[in-house]
Amino acid sequence: GIQVEQSPPDLILQEGANSTLRCNFSDSVNNLQWFHQNPWGQLINLFYIPSGTKQNGRLSATTVTTERYSLLYISSSQTTDSGVYFCAVWYSSASKIIFGSGTRLSIRP
Amino acid sequence: DAGVTQSPTHLIKTRGQQVTLRCSPKSGHDTVSWYQQALGQGPQFIFQYYEEEERQRGNFPDRFSGHQFPNYSSELNVNALLLGDSALYLCASSRSNTEAFFGQGTRLTVV
Repeated sequence: GIQVEQSPPDLILQEGANSTLRCNFSDSVNNLQWFHQNPWGQLINLFYIPSGTKQNGRLSATTVTTERYSLLYISSSQTTDSGVYFCAVWYSSASKIIFGSGTRLSIRP
Repeated sequence: DAGVTQSPTHLIKTRGQQVTLRCSPKSGHDTVSWYQQALGQGPQFIFQYYEEEERQRGNFPDRFSGHQFPNYSSELNVNALLLGDSALYLCASSRSNTEAFFGQGTRLTVV
């Protein structure tokens, strides 16, 4: 089955730093989403990005389907950015979303 | 727009009991999927419902069953609960297989 790998698994940064989170997937995908899971478990939609580049404030994401990876950039980190970031993909032959194992981001004040 | 809502938010059950979790999708969405998230792991797909039919199923035993109603809301039922069923259960809705939105989850504890 399709594999989704996220790196790094853990990331600790000082407030104000920039970060790049990576998601590799093993097969061609139809869609890809990035989520932020808050401490209460809620998955917050960040980007719906099957391909190309999108930006939303301090966050941006790029998906390169031909090379099977996606990147999430966070600039000028704030403590509220802390939490777990998940990449999730799905492809046409299966009506299900497959999640990576996540990157746990901790922003120190 | 109320978004995806799940109930209850927390639940404690005894091993061997049965539980029903509920999900109301985002307005305009016709597809509901259920996920189980164990502590420290990513969500795992349980199954997906579309037009009141189970369209896809993950690697979960038959103790896990579901239903979708004509108004697109959905239930997840788990029979003969095991301690290992303790997890956060997440519901996601989408319009066909486009962007998915998740509810706040139901945290199930089996004792």
